[in-house]
Amino acid sequence: GENVEQHPSTLSVQEGDSAVIKCTYSDSASNYFPWYKQELGKGPQLIIDIRSNVGEKKDQRIAVTLNKTAKHFSLHITETQPEDSAVYFCAASLGNQFYFGTGTSLTVIP
Amino acid sequence: SAVISQKPSRDICQRGTSLTIQCQVDSQVTMMFWYRQQPGQSLTLIATANQGSEATYESGFVIDKFPISRPNLTFSTLTVSNMSPEDSSIYLCSVERAGAMGETQYFGPGTRLLVL
Repeated sequence: GENVEQHPSTLSVQEGDSAVIKCTYSDSASNYFPWYKQELGKGPQLIIDIRSNVGEKKDQRIAVTLNKTAKHFSLHITETQPEDSAVYFCAASLGNQFYFGTGTSLTVIP
Repeated sequence: SAVISQKPSRDICQRGTSLTIQCQVDSQVTMMFWYRQQPGQSLTLIATANQGSEATYESGFVIDKFPISRPNLTFSTLTVSNMSPEDSSIYLCSVERAGAMGETQYFGPGTRLLVL
């Protein structure tokens, strides 16, 4: 089955700096890659996603890039704000089966 | 997106007892999923619940321990049976629904379970 690895496990940045979280996947048949943000005490919230026919997608301060050849994808958050502090999960999907990374705890220091 | 509610939001239970978690969605969905998230860990799929058929369980999860009901297209329950402290986790339901990039999963707020 699919194996998703996520790095780093923890990340601290100064407010206003950028944050990058990277994920790799093993199954080249995976074709959908969502990112979720989980705040303390809440369920994961979909923040951005990308399909394998697209190399990059941007939504305001967040962007996701996908390299199908290398089987890795990344989340980029620019101009970070304290409210970006949360745990972020990547996932790779084939059909309706989602495989999640181990999560990155992001702390934005004011 | 989807509006998903779960009850209870949290509970503290004694070992050997059972707890039933409810998941309600704002409109009909075909696919519903139950996940477990142990403290500080990622999400592990327990089972997929389709209306009108038996739930499909992932490796390591069995129906006797985690019976699931799916009586209609907006509701599902997960029961954690004969609980032990190792069952202390967050239990999340999710639904598959069309998003901007096609079908995706949306999660409920979770049920935080502590077993003593």
